Amino acid sequence: EAQVTQNPRYLITVTGKKLTVTCSQNMNHEYMSWYRQDPGLGLRQIYYSMNVEVTDKGDVPEGYKVSRKEKRNFPLILESPSPNQTSLYFCASSPTGLAGDNEQFFGPGTRLTVL
Amino acid sequence: QKEVEQDPGPLSVPEGAIVSLNCTYSNSAFQYFMWYRQYSRKGPELLMYTYSSGNKEDGRFTAQVDKSSKYISLFIRDSQPSDSATYLCAMKRSAGANSKLTFGKGITLSVRP
Repeated sequence: EAQVTQNPRYLITVTGKKLTVTCSQNMNHEYMSWYRQDPGLGLRQIYYSMNVEVTDKGDVPEGYKVSRKEKRNFPLILESPSPNQTSLYFCASSPTGLAGDNEQFFGPGTRLTVL
Repeated sequence: QKEVEQDPGPLSVPEGAIVSLNCTYSNSAFQYFMWYRQYSRKGPELLMYTYSSGNKEDGRFTAQVDKSSKYISLFIRDSQPSDSATYLCAMKRSAGANSKLTFGKGITLSVRP
């Protein structure tokens, strides 16, 4: 089944304790992205990657890191999490054809709480 | 003014009603318009896509874009309880994945049996 998977789905942690949220897709997509979703603010892009070893900042990159060493994986790293990073996180992927309707496929989400 | 504004809701309708969901935008460069549906505890999934102005119909769903008014709509006919979800509008300037997708905040729809 074509899908984007994220782990963990739920995580409660404490301020300053480094964590990684994994994202993997099995559709051979070049493009991958991380979003956070907050009430009243909607979906905001954190980082994106056009291909292996190519990453760029989105709208809200502060406090996050990413890496793209393999095409299928795009982990999100919080080196020193803070309570304002409590949010629902989504990974997404899509092909990079020039068609305007290249759909972004979203993972199931990771609910992170930082105490 | 935010680039994309969406009615905050929530919206509750009886089964069988016609639902109209709307977004306005300020950036005239937007050319590609999408509606994503997000069920509770799930990621968003693409529901409808429209390029430039015009209408597009898919079963009970119709997407409408009026670029002159910077206004897009999603109509749901004969709404069903299974349509209960959060609906997000999204838009971008150009083709290709590297064109940033800008989302509305989403509106939660509840269809009562």
